[in-house]
Amino acid sequence: GQNIDQPTEMTATEGAIVQINCTYQTSGFNGLFWYQQHAGEAPTFLSYNVLDGLEEKGRFSSFLSRSKGYSYLLLKELQMKDSASYLCACQDSNYQLIWGAGTKLIIKP
Amino acid sequence: GAVVSQHPSWVICKSGTSVKIECRSLDFQATTMFWYRQFPKQSLMLMATSNEGSKATYEQGVEKDKFLINHASLTLSTLTVTSAHPEDSSFYICSARQGDYGYTFGSGTRLTVV
Repeated sequence: GQNIDQPTEMTATEGAIVQINCTYQTSGFNGLFWYQQHAGEAPTFLSYNVLDGLEEKGRFSSFLSRSKGYSYLLLKELQMKDSASYLCACQDSNYQLIWGAGTKLIIKP
Repeated sequence: GAVVSQHPSWVICKSGTSVKIECRSLDFQATTMFWYRQFPKQSLMLMATSNEGSKATYEQGVEKDKFLINHASLTLSTLTVTSAHPEDSSFYICSARQGDYGYTFGSGTRLTVV
């Protein structure tokens, strides 16, 4: 079956760095997305990885290892506004998105 | 960038009535639209996939006669929740695909059935 695993909740301190992991098992693979979702709002796009390696975009970076079925989202210089849920989603061979349950990130002062 | 406009943002309706939710792609043509439902503290659950000019494909367990989807044009898709009941109260979100890799989400609709 298809499955996306990510931690349910993480806590970090303002100004610090946090890494949110995601492992996946899908029928085929056409890329992995990370989205940010604040409570009561729709998800917003953060990153897309289809090749192995690290993609850096400002304070956020995303890494992919296709052989390991593994990705992580790295958030640097954490700000209080980064408190949100972070959703990992894989695109399978039919270009359907398979969603993880999301990781709730709590930032403390 | 690509924008999907979703209306209404929130709606409260009486049990037994129907509610229509609209999603419009403002600056691109959305050949495929995805409709999701999200319950509190849970992830997105795909309800159905609609393609312009054809019938929607519903996920297992989603009643197609209750959740009517119309994708009559390349810029408009609608979801109608018919005979709504309190258990249908949820956050409904649409998403449009741009090519094979890009997805843009609407702002979501908070439905409360009383």
